[in-house]
Amino acid sequence: DAKTTQPTSMDCAEGRAANLPCNHSTISGNEYVYWYRQIHSQGPQYIIHGLKNNETNEMASLIITEDRKSSTLILPHATLRDTAVYYCIVSRSKLIFGTGTLLAVQP
Amino acid sequence: DTEVTQTPKHLVMGMTNKKSLKCEQHMGHRAMYWYKQKAKKPPELMFVYSYEKLSINESVPSRFSPECPNSSLLNLHLHALQPEDSALYLCASSPLLSQGMNTEAFFGQGTRLTVV
Repeated sequence: DAKTTQPTSMDCAEGRAANLPCNHSTISGNEYVYWYRQIHSQGPQYIIHGLKNNETNEMASLIITEDRKSSTLILPHATLRDTAVYYCIVSRSKLIFGTGTLLAVQP
Repeated sequence: DTEVTQTPKHLVMGMTNKKSLKCEQHMGHRAMYWYKQKAKKPPELMFVYSYEKLSINESVPSRFSPECPNSSLLNLHLHALQPEDSALYLCASSPLLSQGMNTEAFFGQGTRLTVV
């Protein structure tokens, strides 16, 4: 499975969009990009996944570059409850977590 | 029901004890997973079951023994653990699509294990 690189931490103001980047330059053609988050002391929570096209659901949007070497998770209106570690995972089958980005939403 | 239920929530065990962690889901998922998470670290994959058969063992020591008695249940049997095995143990399940492809995985809240 391809490795991913994410910033260690990010801040975002409440009500603003949070844009979380992920680099996955060694992604192969059949690997998907998954995003999960883990709020303190809870199990990870699935957010969204995609292969080539941009995806949107009720939680977030996923923007994947045309060459698929990077992606961005967008939380359109961040709230304090979105403070969590966000994991970008590139995989065909196994979900292997990297170190993730700690997103702190500030009031 | 979109829950993965893990019991117990907390467990303290001695190094000579034998204990089991339990995980249950009723979503009809045919893939189930065990992860181990140390403080301030990401979850580490331990085992994957597909259609009740062990498909992946990430070189986990034999003092951890998984078992999948049916499609809804996953156990992790613990024996002769060390203090460094203290961690949050997470169970997850997901639908199993064709060619082993993964999709949305649902995680339980974990069992916080302390080995003394």
